[in-house]
Amino acid sequence: QKEVEQNSGPLSVPEGAIASLNCTYSDRVSQSFFWYRQYSGKSPELIMSIYSNGDKEDGRFTAQLNKASQYVSLLIRDSQPSDSATYLCAVNKAAGNKLTFGGGTRVLVKP
Amino acid sequence: KAGVTQTPRYLIKTRGQQVTLSCSPISGHRSVSWYQQTPGQGLQFLFEYFSETQRNKGNFPGRFSGRQFSNSRSEMNVSTLELGDSALYLCASSFRDTEAFFGQGTRLTVV
Repeated sequence: QKEVEQNSGPLSVPEGAIASLNCTYSDRVSQSFFWYRQYSGKSPELIMSIYSNGDKEDGRFTAQLNKASQYVSLLIRDSQPSDSATYLCAVNKAAGNKLTFGGGTRVLVKP
Repeated sequence: KAGVTQTPRYLIKTRGQQVTLSCSPISGHRSVSWYQQTPGQGLQFLFEYFSETQRNKGNFPGRFSGRQFSNSRSEMNVSTLELGDSALYLCASSFRDTEAFFGQGTRLTVV
């Protein structure tokens, strides 16, 4: 079992719809959780961080964390073609910065 | 505020050679982490430096090493290059133990 798992996709979403991405992690000591967006040929860009159970909203993005079930999700509302990218879930369980990444979910937003 | 700067952006090396990559973090960030990204293995953690000390280490052979200078700039070195070392090498900086911001990466090709 991988430490951080994501559905590889592609997740195909019509423009204007909600894209829902899921991520599960195996280590209960995980403390902080992040979503990165990576366009093809580019480096990962941080879009959301979440540290406690519940929802966190930032613009069109909402991250949800459920530590009891060991999953974190990302919702993208009003999806735009520019949201087409690979979304990486990352988990930090150590003191310091040692991120463990999932394999990423490729999202395609169709006009 | 300037972002994370990595140099060089592209490198082509021959098997058996060594290579040194450089990373300048965001001003005020004292934590620098290095990651390797390949199509097959995804994003994998190499090591993290904080205040010139290695704080975390991933599961890579000893051919991969790094260091951090008093101005928080960091370098990583790969000795005796192998074809499998061809990858995108990413550096990320953080202010304390919070969000990590990535540089544009160094694309290394070993021939």
